[in-house]
Amino acid sequence: AQSVTQPDIHITVSEGASLELRCNYSYGATPYLFWYVQSPGQGLQLLLKYFSGDTLVQGIKGFEAEFKRSQSSFNLRKPSVHWSDAAEYFCAVGFNNDMRFGAGTRLTVKP
Amino acid sequence: DGGITQSPKYLFRKEGQNVTLSCEQNLNHDAMYWYRQDPGQGLRLIYYSQIVNDFQKGDIAEGYSVSREKKESFPLTVTSAQKNPTAFYLCASSIDLGDTFNQPQHFGDGTRLSIL
Repeated sequence: AQSVTQPDIHITVSEGASLELRCNYSYGATPYLFWYVQSPGQGLQLLLKYFSGDTLVQGIKGFEAEFKRSQSSFNLRKPSVHWSDAAEYFCAVGFNNDMRFGAGTRLTVKP
Repeated sequence: DGGITQSPKYLFRKEGQNVTLSCEQNLNHDAMYWYRQDPGQGLRLIYYSQIVNDFQKGDIAEGYSVSREKKESFPLTVTSAQKNPTAFYLCASSIDLGDTFNQPQHFGDGTRLSIL
């Protein structure tokens, strides 16, 4: 069955440290890939998307993600985390008239 | 500014009552969606609509109903048949280029429904 996995339920990083959030998918072909961020009590905001082309995509708020076909992964990265990045992050995959969201990774930022 | 407005932000339901959650968008998007969010489970699709007067069931449509009489509006009714309605409900919209679920979705700020 097609699925999206975010292996880390909760990650804690220090402010200023680098961040990588993992996302893996199980689809037969390259799907459309998205990362969203959700602050408490709010909706989701699109950070970035990958449809085709350059496998390293830049998004808003200093985030980037790299698509690796061989690993079926689309990991989200940020070189230096700010306290305001504390939120929940969702990977989503669109394929064949269907979209699946991962269970989310909650990010805590230590001062 | 264009966006999606969900109301109310908080909603309480008594046992046996139907309640309707409002979702309005002024983004001129054709496609609209309703998701249910429970802790640790991500988002699950309840219903979606690609065009006015048409909608499709998602993964967890039982106990819910929708209508799409206007392009801008996609209300969700949580019926008494939904046995566990307490959740955070998110409405979203997207452009539709014939590949509905391959486009980025714009989300409202959600409605939190609780049972009294």
